[in-house]
Amino acid sequence: TQLLEQSPQFLSIQEGENLTVYCNSSSVFSSLQWYRQEPGEGPVLLVTVVTGGEVKKLKRLTFQFGDARKDSSLHITAAQPGDTGLYLCAGDTGGGNKLTFGTGTQLKVEL
Amino acid sequence: EPEVTQTPSHQVTQMGQEVILRCVPISNHLYFYWYRQILGQKVEFLVSFYNNEISEKSEIFDDQFSVERPDGSNFTLKIRSTKLEDSAMYFCASGGALGYEQYFGPGTRLTVT
Repeated sequence: TQLLEQSPQFLSIQEGENLTVYCNSSSVFSSLQWYRQEPGEGPVLLVTVVTGGEVKKLKRLTFQFGDARKDSSLHITAAQPGDTGLYLCAGDTGGGNKLTFGTGTQLKVEL
Repeated sequence: EPEVTQTPSHQVTQMGQEVILRCVPISNHLYFYWYRQILGQKVEFLVSFYNNEISEKSEIFDDQFSVERPDGSNFTLKIRSTKLEDSAMYFCASGGALGYEQYFGPGTRLTVT
């Protein structure tokens, strides 16, 4: 069973601060997705990384896939209250493309 | 922008009853999935479906569960005899040619009483 551990589990910061969320596993993933989920809603896809060492940027969000494709990070620059939400990483080991979801990081950005 | 839709948004049923959850995936997608999320827990994979057959299923997806793509647009999950522990949010997802990029629907909240 693949496990994806995210850290921190909870993060409360002030507007304008930077933060990094980590997603770690002992398994190798053929791709890794980051999602954001609001209460009572479905996960919304933010980005997909597939190549070891890959870095993708989405406005103030920077995503990195580890060289060995076992870990990933999400860095948010100058966080805003609108960034508040649950951030999930999810890895695909190939085959049927089933996603294994991480434990989640609940981010709160306060004014 | 194309999106995955699901109906109903909330389904309440009694233990032992059959339920059918419906999904309309993004129209040109080829891969279809069901996941569930028990309140406060992780999103868990149930089943993947490609080329009109199940490609992978989890231990959760036992004989009480079945999936079907009855026409070119709908994708359904049937639970034959619901149990209290089936209460959860059920998410449908679809993926295009790349497969691994999965787009999720808004979910159906299933409550079994």
